[in-house]
Amino acid sequence: EVQLVQSGAEVKKPGESLKISCKGSGYSFTNYWIGWVRQMPGKGLEWMGIIYPGDSDTRYSPSFQGQVTISADKSISTAYLQWSSLKASDTAIYYCARSSTRRDGFDIWGQGTMVTVSS
Amino acid sequence: QSALTQPASVSGSPGQSITISCTGTSSDVGAYNYVSWYQQHPGEAPKLLIYDVSSRPSGVSNRFSGSKSDNTASLTISGLQAEDEADYYCSSYTSSSTRVFGGGTKLTVL
Repeated sequence: EVQLVQSGAEVKKPGESLKISCKGSGYSFTNYWIGWVRQMPGKGLEWMGIIYPGDSDTRYSPSFQGQVTISADKSISTAYLQWSSLKASDTAIYYCARSSTRRDGFDIWGQGTMVTVSS
Repeated sequence: QSALTQPASVSGSPGQSITISCTGTSSDVGAYNYVSWYQQHPGEAPKLLIYDVSSRPSGVSNRFSGSKSDNTASLTISGLQAEDEADYYCSSYTSSSTRVFGGGTKLTVL
């Protein structure tokens, strides 16, 4: 079965760092793009960025460039989204999702990781 | 880049057809045939309904169809069913080599 399994919910304080993960299985991880999508509480979907694990080619939305870092470790079929200094406004559900090309839609989604940032 | 524009809400009765619009610009929707549509039920991850403007992934009902004219894409749901009640999002590839989502549309089945 093709699936993306994300790491569990996180509760952090402002200023702390965080790295969440997304592990792919059931397909060739290096041949598909992995994207990250934010959904703030009660709000819509926001496209954050995308990475090709085969060569680590990465693109960011201008809204998220410099705010987060997307990476991947193809040896363990896992993509990551990380923050160096969290803010309360980073509180959201973060989804990873698979795409066959950089242009196409996301056909497989992870279950989402809830990140709560509160003092 | 700005989010694509969708109506905040639409509604319809069971058996009817509804259409959700998604308006972008000549730098995204109008420039490429890479529009996709997603359905999201409360508490669940989004599900791909349509890709490349009008293609359906395997397993998606043919009651869902997509189209595009100039800078506006559309999702049509025919034969509305109670389980279609959900949030719907469009997304497009952009000239910046990124993607952008629409603001989302809440579908209510009356």
